[in-house]
Amino acid sequence: KQEVTQIPAALSVPEGENLVLNCSFTDSAIYNLQWFRQDPGKGLTSLLLIQSSQREQTSGRLNASLDKSSGRSTLYIAASQPGDSATYLCAAEETSGSRLTFGEGTQLTVNP
Amino acid sequence: GAVVSQHPSRVICKSGTSVKIECRSLDFQATTMFWYRQFPKQSLMLMATSNEGSKATYEQGVEKDKFLINHASLTLSTLTVTSAHPEDSSFYICSARGHYLGAEAFFGQGTRLTVV
Repeated sequence: KQEVTQIPAALSVPEGENLVLNCSFTDSAIYNLQWFRQDPGKGLTSLLLIQSSQREQTSGRLNASLDKSSGRSTLYIAASQPGDSATYLCAAEETSGSRLTFGEGTQLTVNP
Repeated sequence: GAVVSQHPSRVICKSGTSVKIECRSLDFQATTMFWYRQFPKQSLMLMATSNEGSKATYEQGVEKDKFLINHASLTLSTLTVTSAHPEDSSFYICSARGHYLGAEAFFGQGTRLTVV
């Protein structure tokens, strides 16, 4: 059974800092890994999706990497802004079209 | 990205009543929809997977007679919480995907259910 873990559980940084969120998964046989953002009381917004054959994806100030062999993914946020404050979730997909297994998230606070 | 609309966003109901939550894919055909449940400060837990026109597949520990899922069309799935109790209070989120969209899953805005 796939298990996904995110470290740290919470992170508070001053505005402008670069930061890294970590995600690890126990079963390396994944189809893809996806990063989401969740604002309080809201649904999920997809940030980046990395296929199992890829090593990284970039979107604006966000960069996500994937190392299947070690069961790890990282989300790098450059030049953080207060608007980046949210909970960030990673999720592993077992096979195409199947369930997503979520980590418990990292609650990020960016202080002005 | 594709849009998934979930309604209502919030609902308060009395214990013993039933509540229906709708999940619609607005600009694509969703061959598969997923229903998740999220408790405060916790992650999303998959409740069931539904494919259009067939019965839903429930995760272990999820009562199928209590959480009724209908996926009658390619754009609509509903979750009905029957005879709701306070312990059913939670945040429910649906997710939808279609073949032509590839592997990406799109999520609704979620429904905050409070049973009093």
